[in-house]
Amino acid sequence: KQEVTQIPAALSVPEGENLVLNCSFTDSAIYNLQWFRQDPGKGLTSLLLIQSSQREQTSGRLNASLDKSSGRSTLYIAASQPGDSATYLCAVSNTDKLIFGTGTRLQVFP
Amino acid sequence: EAGVTQFPSHSVIEKGQTVTLRCDPISGHDNLYWYRRVMGKEIKFLLHFVKESKQDESGMPNNRFLAERTGGTYSTLKVQPAELEDSGVYFCASSRGPAGNTEAFFGQGTRLTVV
Repeated sequence: KQEVTQIPAALSVPEGENLVLNCSFTDSAIYNLQWFRQDPGKGLTSLLLIQSSQREQTSGRLNASLDKSSGRSTLYIAASQPGDSATYLCAVSNTDKLIFGTGTRLQVFP
Repeated sequence: EAGVTQFPSHSVIEKGQTVTLRCDPISGHDNLYWYRRVMGKEIKFLLHFVKESKQDESGMPNNRFLAERTGGTYSTLKVQPAELEDSGVYFCASSRGPAGNTEAFFGQGTRLTVV
């Protein structure tokens, strides 16, 4: 049974810091891994999708890496801003559904 | 292009009542998913439609939950009768292809509170 873990559960940093959020999964036979952002009371916004054959994806200040063999992904946020404050979720797919971690709650203060 | 929309955004009902949640996927997306997050837990899969057919309903908690997608467009999720443990946020997602191949887009969720 696939299990997804995210560390840390919560993170509070000053503006401008570079951040690394971690995601690990127990079954390496995945099709893809997706990072989402959730703002309070809002839905999930897709940030990056990494296919199983890829090693990383980049979008603006975000970079996500995937090491399928070791069951790990990291989301790197460069030069963090208060607007980055949200809960970040990773989800893996090894069938036609997503399996989510519990998320990392990020707060970036000015 | 409109995103995935869900109605209502919030619902408060009494135990034993019936509630129906609605999801309108992105136009052209054949794949529609329902997920749920209960307090303090991770988001969990409920079921998957491909057009109007149920592809996988292995995550449905019990027979009090009924999902439909008539005509392969919008979907409804009915809870009858609602129990206290059904409280949580219900998310709908859609994708052009299966989740294993394509990006999934989520709605804002329906927060259900059963009192």
